[in-house]
Amino acid sequence: GQNIDQPTEMTATEGAIVQINCTYQTSGFNGLFWYQQHAGEAPTFLSYNVLDGLEEKGRFSSFLSRSKGYSYLLLKELQMKDSASYLCAVRDSNYQLIWGAGTKLIIKP
Amino acid sequence: DGGITQSPKYLFRKEGQNVTLSCEQNLNHDAMYWYRQDPGQGLRLIYYSQIVNDFQKGDIAEGYSVSREKKESFPLTVTSAQKNPTAFYLCASSIADSGSYEQYFGPGTRLTVT
Repeated sequence: GQNIDQPTEMTATEGAIVQINCTYQTSGFNGLFWYQQHAGEAPTFLSYNVLDGLEEKGRFSSFLSRSKGYSYLLLKELQMKDSASYLCAVRDSNYQLIWGAGTKLIIKP
Repeated sequence: DGGITQSPKYLFRKEGQNVTLSCEQNLNHDAMYWYRQDPGQGLRLIYYSQIVNDFQKGDIAEGYSVSREKKESFPLTVTSAQKNPTAFYLCASSIADSGSYEQYFGPGTRLTVT
């Protein structure tokens, strides 16, 4: 079956750096997405990776290793507003998005 | 402003009643999707549509129905056959169902059935 694993919850301190990992086992691979979702709200797009390596976008970066079935989202200079769930999703060989359960990130002052 | 609207934000129904959730987009996107989100689980695809007058079942289509008569609209009906309908429902759209095209989500409808 298809599976995406993320830690359920993480805690970090304001101003620090946090890395959220995502491992996947899917039938084929056509890209990986990261979304941010604040409680009770819609997910919003953060990043897309299809080739190995690091994609940087401001305070957020996303890394992909296709051979390892692994990605991470790196958040720098954490702010209180970064408290949210972070969803990892993989597009499989049928171009369907398979979603992880999300990682709830708690930021403490 | 372009975007996706879902209404209502909160919906309460009695068991045995059908209920329709609306989803409208003015992004001119071809593809539209309905997801269900339950605590501790990833988004699960109910139905999707890549073009007007055509739609496909997702992983958990049983007990749901959709229509796509207009490009802008993709309403979801939760029927009385859905065994556990209480959930947060999210509608999304994208330019196309492939490649790097991300999905844009509406604000969601939280349905409670008692």
